Amino acid sequence: NIVLTQSPATLSVTPGESVSLSCRASQSISTSIHWYQQKSNESPRLLIKYASQSISGIPSRFSGSGSGTDFTLSINRVESEDFSIYYCQQSYSSLYTFGAGTKLELK
Amino acid sequence: QVTLKESGPGILQPSQTLSLTCTFSGFSLSTYGMGVGWIRQPSGKGLEWLANIWWDDDKYYNPSLKNRLTISKDTSNNQAFLKITNVDTADTATYYCARIDRRNDYFDYWGQGVMVTVSS
Repeated sequence: NIVLTQSPATLSVTPGESVSLSCRASQSISTSIHWYQQKSNESPRLLIKYASQSISGIPSRFSGSGSGTDFTLSINRVESEDFSIYYCQQSYSSLYTFGAGTKLELK
Repeated sequence: QVTLKESGPGILQPSQTLSLTCTFSGFSLSTYGMGVGWIRQPSGKGLEWLANIWWDDDKYYNPSLKNRLTISKDTSNNQAFLKITNVDTADTATYYCARIDRRNDYFDYWGQGVMVTVSS
């Protein structure tokens, strides 16, 4: 199994700050990583595909980068609606896995 | 417009078999490249991928649960199914189904989720 390690577990920020969330894979997975946002009591929503490709309808303040084993989700100037949990997911293996998530909370 | 909706028993007892149904519209599991995955989330915890089924009936299972999982589909009725045998309290969770496309390999559309409680 490919293990995804997300850090930090919790990130406390104030609106307007810019943040970076990390996802590290246990082996090289090229760019086969996808990011999801899950707000409280909602289903996850796809934010970024294949490490850095944008998704229609997602605000441009969300961006992704990385390849191999280290990936980053960046949020430029966090807004109040961004406080939620973020998960990465790999599809390099047909046996998908998710990271444990990073909770973005209001400081 | 793609939609998915999960249904399940709500509550069941330990050792029973959990049967879940995903009813979808806006795509077909007989179309090349289409797939449906199941993901679960215990309350307050993270997402756990369970299984995928593809248009060609190819199936993949989470190795940690493989012996207990069976995924299947009914293309005529636009449904996908997941069975989990011998449940216990650790299987209490919200269960989601989601669409995947072989060209993309990510979950682009999700259902609203169905809560399942295992309790004696």
